[in-house]
Amino acid sequence: GIQVEQSPPDLILQEGANSTLRCNFSDSVNNLQWFHQNPWGQLINLFYIPSGTKQNGRLSATTVATERYSLLYISSSQTTDSGVYFCAPSQSGSARQLTFGSGTQLTVLP
Amino acid sequence: KAGVTQTPRYLIKTRGQQVTLSCSPISGHRSVSWYQQTPGQGLQFLFEYFSETQRNKGNFPGRFSGRQFSNSRSEMNVSTLELGDSALYLCASSLGPPAGELFFGEGSRLTVL
Repeated sequence: GIQVEQSPPDLILQEGANSTLRCNFSDSVNNLQWFHQNPWGQLINLFYIPSGTKQNGRLSATTVATERYSLLYISSSQTTDSGVYFCAPSQSGSARQLTFGSGTQLTVLP
Repeated sequence: KAGVTQTPRYLIKTRGQQVTLSCSPISGHRSVSWYQQTPGQGLQFLFEYFSETQRNKGNFPGRFSGRQFSNSRSEMNVSTLELGDSALYLCASSLGPPAGELFFGEGSRLTVL
């Protein structure tokens, strides 16, 4: 199956700083989502981005499917951005069978 | 629009028992997928149901099963519980093929003693 690597595994920032999270995957994908897991365990949708670039407020994401990576940008980070960020692509055959990376644990300090 | 609803949110069982978890998808969504999250293995795909049929299954033993009803609600069952089944079980809702975007519920946290 597809392999997913996320980096960095841990990231500590001061409030107001910018950051870039990276997701590399080993095979072609037909779906890719970014999630933020809140302290209660729920996975919150950030982006559905199999290719291209999307922006939502202080967050943006880019997926370059031909080079097998995706990036999540967080600008002007806030303490509420803390948590684990997951990248989850899926391969052709089942767009809804996601393979999750191990996540990036983000801590934003006040 | 209500989100994905999972019940129960927390439960404690003992080894050898069985458990049933329930998931109600977003209104209009017809696909339900289940995922298991553990500290050791991370998030892993269990299975997907669409139109009351299992469409895909992950690499889990037969003790893990599920079903979907005509109203798209889904249940998953784990029989003969083991300590290693302690996990957060997450349900995800989607419109169904060919749509790929998933929306997750808050999860059911199972502890096996």
